[in-house]
Amino acid sequence: GENVEQHPSTLSVQEGDSAVIKCTYSDSASNYFPWYKQELGKGPQLIIDIRSNVGEKKDQRIAVTLNKTAKHFSLHITETQPEDSAVYFCAASRNSGNTPLVFGKGTRLSVIA
Amino acid sequence: GAVVSQHPSWVICKSGTSVKIECRSLDFQATTMFWYRQFPKQSLMLMATSNEGSKATYEQGVEKDKFLINHASLTLSTLTVTSAHPEDSSFYICSAPVPLGNQPQHFGDGTRLSIL
Repeated sequence: GENVEQHPSTLSVQEGDSAVIKCTYSDSASNYFPWYKQELGKGPQLIIDIRSNVGEKKDQRIAVTLNKTAKHFSLHITETQPEDSAVYFCAASRNSGNTPLVFGKGTRLSVIA
Repeated sequence: GAVVSQHPSWVICKSGTSVKIECRSLDFQATTMFWYRQFPKQSLMLMATSNEGSKATYEQGVEKDKFLINHASLTLSTLTVTSAHPEDSSFYICSAPVPLGNQPQHFGDGTRLSIL
């Protein structure tokens, strides 16, 4: 089955700096890669996703890149703000998200004001 | 946008009690819902796939007689933790894919279950 590795497990950045979180996956049939932000005591909230027919996607300060050949994808957050502090999870699935997601172990991002 | 509602948000109960958690899709029909469990400072792990009108599919190592899933309608799936024990204390989260086109999965806000 699918295995998703995520690095780093913790990340501290100064406010205004960029943050990068990287994930790798094992199943070449996976075609859907969402990123979720989870705040304490809450469920995951989708922040951006990318499908295998696209190499990069951007939404304001957030961008995701996908390298299908290397089976890795990354989340980039620019101009970080204290409210970006949370745990971020990458995930992968087949069938464009209609099948269960396999999550990475998460990255705890702390943005220091 | 599509919303998934989960209830209750927090349950504290005595060991041996059975607890029911509800997951509702509020503005779309979900023939499939997923139940995940998350232990503190860990990732989400799939427990089971809930299928409307048929039996749930459980992941390896998840006891189907302990975690009863019922998906009786297109907008409601329930997870019942039977005879709960302290080791069942966890954060339970449901999600539902929107069945129209390439839509993302939407997650409920989770249920924190604490067994004393």
